Amino acid sequence: AQSVTQLGSHVSVSEGALVLLRCNYSSSVPPYLFWYVQYPNQGLQLLLKYTSAATLVKGINDFEAEFKKSETSFHLTKPSAHMSDAAEYFCAVSEGATNKLIFGTGTLLAVQP
Amino acid sequence: GAVVSQHPSRVICKSGTSVKIECRSLDFQATTMFWYRQFPKKSLMLMATSNEGSKATYEQGVEKDKFLINHASLTLSTLTVTSAHPEDSSFYICSATSGTPGATQYFGPGTRLLVL
Repeated sequence: AQSVTQLGSHVSVSEGALVLLRCNYSSSVPPYLFWYVQYPNQGLQLLLKYTSAATLVKGINDFEAEFKKSETSFHLTKPSAHMSDAAEYFCAVSEGATNKLIFGTGTLLAVQP
Repeated sequence: GAVVSQHPSRVICKSGTSVKIECRSLDFQATTMFWYRQFPKKSLMLMATSNEGSKATYEQGVEKDKFLINHASLTLSTLTVTSAHPEDSSFYICSATSGTPGATQYFGPGTRLLVL
């Protein structure tokens, strides 16, 4: 069965600092992996998606993630945090033909001025 | 990205009444739609998978007679919470996808339901 683990339910960074949100997955087949962001009282917005075309995936708002098969990881990074990046971030793996998403528990990112 | 809308965004109802939530894909044909429930400070819990023209597939523990799902067209799915009770109060989110393997799920903005 597929699963996703997000290490760190809360991450706090200073404005301008590097953002690193961790995600490890478990899958018996080549996975489709996603990062979504959720602002308060809103739905989820796709940040980026891994579909095996390239291991380094670039997304919106300067976010990127690197797929590392040997480490079963798909960590999300951004070189310089903005105050507007404060939100909840979810990593997810797609469950094969059904396209069901298995979500991690989420990481709440706080950005300090 | 594709746009998915939900209506209403917020609804307050009395205990025992039914509430219908609509989910529309505005600019693409959604073969599959998903309905999620999210509790405060929690991740999303998948309730059911809805394929156009067929019966929804419910996740274990979700009462299909309480949460009625209809997916009558490629752009519209509805979730009806029947005989709502206060414990049904939650944030309900839908998503839509084209259905091809690995296709992106595009999420609606969510519906906040409060049952008094």
